[in-house]
Amino acid sequence: DGGITQSPKYLFRKEGQNVTLSCEQNLNHDAMYWYRQDPGQGLRLIYYSQIVNDFQKGDIAEGYSVSREKKESFPLTVTSAQKNPTAFYLCASSIEGIGHQETQYFGPGTRLLVL
Amino acid sequence: KNEVEQSPQNLTAQEGEFITINCSYSVGISALHWLQQHPGGGIVSLFMLSSGKKKHGRLIATINIQEKHSSLHITASHPRDSAVYICAVSKKAEYGNKLVFGAGTILRVKS
Repeated sequence: DGGITQSPKYLFRKEGQNVTLSCEQNLNHDAMYWYRQDPGQGLRLIYYSQIVNDFQKGDIAEGYSVSREKKESFPLTVTSAQKNPTAFYLCASSIEGIGHQETQYFGPGTRLLVL
Repeated sequence: KNEVEQSPQNLTAQEGEFITINCSYSVGISALHWLQQHPGGGIVSLFMLSSGKKKHGRLIATINIQEKHSSLHITASHPRDSAVYICAVSKKAEYGNKLVFGAGTILRVKS
């Protein structure tokens, strides 16, 4: 079955700690995205990547970092610089990328909580 | 003011009722998407449309470009339709088209 997987489902972060959220897709999609969802707000774009070894900041990139070393994988690191990291994080992918009108396919999400 | 507004925020219906969720936007768009988010958090794309009307099973989506408005209709609603329905518009950004999301409509269908 093709799809997007995210792990872990729940993640706890201590003060000053960096944590990494995993996102893997086997859809052979070029483009991948990270969104943040807060209660009562729409999803907001953190980072996106249209091709391996390239990525761009979205609207709320501060305090986050990403890498795209493989087509299938787009991990997101929430750094200690992100002062309000508690949120639901969603990874998505699409066939070609942000310049095209196309459906995005979403993973099941990771809920990050601060201890 | 948000660029994408949905109404209502919360909706409770009885099984079998006809349901309408509305989406208004204030920017020029190239497409509009309707998404469904299940209680566990996963999101599924329902429709992408740029004009007219699309139908899939009991779901119907319409868009009026001149009025900057879209509606999602559910006919013969069922408890399994309970979810958050999200409207998103595709607008031009410096790096291409980006999706701007509404806050979602929480739908609960009671049996």
